[in-house]
Amino acid sequence: AQSVAQPEDQVNVAEGNPLTVKCTYSVSGNPYLFWYVQYPNRGLQFLLKYITGDNLVKGSYGFEAEFNKSQTSFHLKKPSALVSDSALYFCAVRPPDGSGNTGKLIFGQGTTLQVKP
Amino acid sequence: NAGVTQTPKFQVLKTGQSMTLQCAQDMNHNSMYWYRQDPGMGLRLIYYSASEGTTDKGEVPNGYNVSRLNKREFSLRLESAAPSQTSVYFCASLSGTSRGEKLFFGSGTQLSVL
Repeated sequence: AQSVAQPEDQVNVAEGNPLTVKCTYSVSGNPYLFWYVQYPNRGLQFLLKYITGDNLVKGSYGFEAEFNKSQTSFHLKKPSALVSDSALYFCAVRPPDGSGNTGKLIFGQGTTLQVKP
Repeated sequence: NAGVTQTPKFQVLKTGQSMTLQCAQDMNHNSMYWYRQDPGMGLRLIYYSASEGTTDKGEVPNGYNVSRLNKREFSLRLESAAPSQTSVYFCASLSGTSRGEKLFFGSGTQLSVL
């Protein structure tokens, strides 16, 4: 079965320190990978995506993510965390099923990022 | 530019009642989606509409129906609400084609079924 796992329910980091939010996936073929962020009482917002090419992709608000095919991972990173980065982060994958419907994402369970001053 | 607009923002129902969640997007997107968000389970796709006039089941369609009224609007209906349908519901629309795609989400509807 195709799935996405975010092994940490919560990540705590001090402001100014680097942060990593982990994501692993189980999908056959070459998937499209995404990170979305949800601020309190808001809908999800797109952060970044990996389709093909460079394994390190850069996105909004200084975030980046590294695709590692051998480890089937797509961890979200930021060199220096801000208090305003505190939110719920979702990893998602679109299987390369050839159906042409590109919005049928499989989401992970989400990781709450808490950045403390 | 409002993006994706959902109504209502909050709703409390009694078991067996029916209601319709409304969603509209003003970005001229072809594809629209309904997801539900439950703690510890991420988002799960209920139904989607790849284009005006078409709808398809997602991962968890039981107990729901949808209508793609026109290109802008995609509604979700609960015919006989059950406590298991207590959740936060998000509508989304899709921009771009395969390489440039991303989902735009509404702000959600928090539904409680008593």
